[in-house]
Amino acid sequence: DSGVTQTPKHLITATGQRVTLRCSPRSGDLSVYWYQQSLDQGLQFLIQYYNGEERAKGNILERFSAQQFPDLHSELNLSSLELGDSALYFCASSVAPTGYEQYFGPGTRLTVT
Amino acid sequence: GIQVEQSPPDLILQEGANSTLRCNFSDSVNNLQWFHQNPWGQLINLFYIPSGTKQNGRLSATTVATERYSLLYISSSQTTDSGVYFCAVAPNQAGTALIFGKGTTLSVSS
Repeated sequence: DSGVTQTPKHLITATGQRVTLRCSPRSGDLSVYWYQQSLDQGLQFLIQYYNGEERAKGNILERFSAQQFPDLHSELNLSSLELGDSALYFCASSVAPTGYEQYFGPGTRLTVT
Repeated sequence: GIQVEQSPPDLILQEGANSTLRCNFSDSVNNLQWFHQNPWGQLINLFYIPSGTKQNGRLSATTVATERYSLLYISSSQTTDSGVYFCAVAPNQAGTALIFGKGTTLSVSS
């Protein structure tokens, strides 16, 4: 158990819908990362927050957004869902924003039908 | 951007065999991690090893940062070692996000 929690574990929804994925980092970690794992793209970085502020952006679509709240939990919002958004979404956390080990949560498996 | 190449892409072993997985990266890094993704999809941290050598039970890893490669050794493999092994790096210049290789799929049979 990495100490990072994600909910829900599984999510099945229809095209065009909007979903919210939730992540709670390890106790004491200030930085949260979101990654997407799909069959065709592999594991890729979406976005990072550090202590409530956006720190870095990767290959995140405009239909996706995220935020980190004062209690440090983070939410990833996916809207206007398409079939290609079906993937495993991981949250990770680390103590500081750069050069520290990242710990991954169990992931949320999203299926868009 | 930085390139991360893992080899071999696939590995089939009998229980008890030893193996070496390799990760080459194209630029200097401030973070290098090895992960095991089990059949249920969980990403398990194996090593945080931007340089040097570490050991944990039957697993050990070595990163030679100056030559831009890392090796993961698995000794006396067990069926529970099956899964995908990923190497991931964070480039010095870009700082934060981990860039993952495509992984090595390991199958261990009894």
